Amino acid sequence: DQQVKQNSPSLSVQEGRISILNCDYTNSMFDYFLWYKKYPAEGPTFLISISSIKDKNEDGRFTVFLNKSAKHLSLHIVPSQPGDSAVYFCAASDLSGGSQGNLIFGKGTKLSVKP
Amino acid sequence: EAQVTQNPRYLITVTGKKLTVTCSQNMNHEYMSWYRQDPGLGLRQIYYSMNVEVTDKGDVPEGYKVSRKEKRNFPLILESPSPNQTSLYFCASKTGTGGYEQYFGPGTRLTVT
Repeated sequence: DQQVKQNSPSLSVQEGRISILNCDYTNSMFDYFLWYKKYPAEGPTFLISISSIKDKNEDGRFTVFLNKSAKHLSLHIVPSQPGDSAVYFCAASDLSGGSQGNLIFGKGTKLSVKP
Repeated sequence: EAQVTQNPRYLITVTGKKLTVTCSQNMNHEYMSWYRQDPGLGLRQIYYSMNVEVTDKGDVPEGYKVSRKEKRNFPLILESPSPNQTSLYFCASKTGTGGYEQYFGPGTRLTVT
């Protein structure tokens, strides 16, 4: 059973507009959530994270929102730029639950930002 | 420069021919992990290691072996590769003391014919 779900395989956005990438999870024990960005022929790189005790974390153009009651998080990119075109992975972990900090990844969403 | 390196980056091999993909990190991280990425399946964990001589299975360990004899190295071994192990493989590492963020290598594209 998939614990972290990214239901949109792809998303296309115009440059300068907002990109919203969504992620749902099923395990209420997850206490930390991360977003990774992946360009072709490169490894995933960490983008932004949020602890389960918060509902928002912002870093420049990137903001992650967490709705624990809905088991839902989203990544907002404002304004979107062509260089943001990549695959975005949502990941979750429950370090406090003894998982050793293993990350559970979603299947990814491919974002295309058109000039 | 802090990094995770993998070798080789690309490998084409035949069924049954043993191979090893090396992974090394220079950040003194205790935790290391191997993932495979397949279309439509995202990143799935193969094995992980909390420290030297401590390894454990991830979600898809069948057909793979690992070892952790040194802190910096975590090789992935395919003793008898099969075509269903054709995939993109990533090694990652992180601090073992409460850290969540994992740092990934550049990936190894493996094709088994």
